[in-house]
Amino acid sequence: GAVVSQHPSWVICKSGTSVKIECRSLDFQATTMFWYRQFPKQSLMLMATSNEGSKATYEQGVEKDKFLINHASLTLSTLTVTSAHPEDSSFYICSARDLGLMQYFGPGTRLTVL
Amino acid sequence: GQQVMQIPQYQHVQEGEDFTTYCNSSTTLSNIQWYKQRPGGHPVFLIQLVKSGEVKKQKRLTFQFGEAKKNSSLHITATQTTDVGTYFCAGPRDNTDKLIFGTGTRLQVFP
Repeated sequence: GAVVSQHPSWVICKSGTSVKIECRSLDFQATTMFWYRQFPKQSLMLMATSNEGSKATYEQGVEKDKFLINHASLTLSTLTVTSAHPEDSSFYICSARDLGLMQYFGPGTRLTVL
Repeated sequence: GQQVMQIPQYQHVQEGEDFTTYCNSSTTLSNIQWYKQRPGGHPVFLIQLVKSGEVKKQKRLTFQFGEAKKNSSLHITATQTTDVGTYFCAGPRDNTDKLIFGTGTRLQVFP
């Protein structure tokens, strides 16, 4: 079955630093990947759509300069949280869409900003 | 904007009891998907329903898509402790390839 990995699975960083999260589709190519954020006991909220070879599209209210997305290949998308602050602490989940338009979710990255 | 609500928000049941979560969309959906998220885990795809009035079963789980394609339900028969988690429905947002997730129902099963 389709497998999506994320790295790291968890990260703790100091306020003001930047954190990069990788999302990889291991056994299929994904022209489109999605980045979600989930706060405790809440639902998943779409942050942005990552398109291979083009700029990401961001949802309303998500700062594109703060959450940098790069989709450099058909199997890799990265999300960089720049100048992270405690309010950015959350569970970040990516999904990759296959040719059948099904989304497969990664295991998530838990970010804690001190 | 488009909203997808689920009720109840929480449900505690004794092992062996049945459980149902209801999903209601403010707009018609071309399909509805259901996911399960275990505590500390990520959403795991359970099923997709496409047709109006469709009913699908997976062992003790029964999924239904409403006739108007605006609501759906997930029913678990004779819950087990392994059913613990949060169940989300999700559908295409504004007929795009983006998903909008429901608010989720957290299920706790007491042995």
